[in-house]
Amino acid sequence: EAGVAQSPRYKIIEKRQSVAFWCNPISGHATLYWYQQILGQGPKLLIQFQNNGVVDDSQLPKDRFSAERLKGVDSTLKIQPAKLEDSAVYLCASRRTGGRNEQFFGPGTRLTVL
Amino acid sequence: AQRVTQPEKLLSVFKGAPVELKCNYSYSGSPELFWYVQYSRQRLQLLLRHISRESIKGFTADLNKGETSFHLKKPFAQEEDSAMYYCALLSLQGAQKLVFGQGTRLTINP
Repeated sequence: EAGVAQSPRYKIIEKRQSVAFWCNPISGHATLYWYQQILGQGPKLLIQFQNNGVVDDSQLPKDRFSAERLKGVDSTLKIQPAKLEDSAVYLCASRRTGGRNEQFFGPGTRLTVL
Repeated sequence: AQRVTQPEKLLSVFKGAPVELKCNYSYSGSPELFWYVQYSRQRLQLLLRHISRESIKGFTADLNKGETSFHLKKPFAQEEDSAMYYCALLSLQGAQKLVFGQGTRLTINP
């Protein structure tokens, strides 16, 4: 099966600009996650979707970050406006309902904010 | 609070030597624990989960609830084991979510 797809792979922006990331999960996976991984740290969950509904967004900085999964498949994560501390790798993961609780990760988008 | 601690950021051993990557957790209740691995230029992937009590690529990990630990072990390291390893806890309270440790970079020297 095709893996989780993300684009772009790299993005460089200046602070106060906006940026959007796209994720296409594995077909049939109802649960989708966005993680932020700052250099030297483990991934931190930003938001979790179950189909097109938000299950957990407690760690999403809602004043500048937003995410949507309108049709329960693809998802976008947006940052507006970006800050220097948003420089990180943004990982998307998906999981099918039931089974082994295994999350499948995409390649990530590396964001650099100058 | 749910927390995963990996005390070693870097670990270097020689090929053929035993390897132990440490992981301690903080969680009220019965956690589900995982080890994820990221090889160079590859994506993060599941290595093993404690519930399965499996050995993957020669690695095993035992959940010790008394010591709140889930250390990853391999008796004889191989060069292809060089990678970034993350211990993760699945919080089963409310929305199921993974909490990751900061990771340990394992380097196997020839």
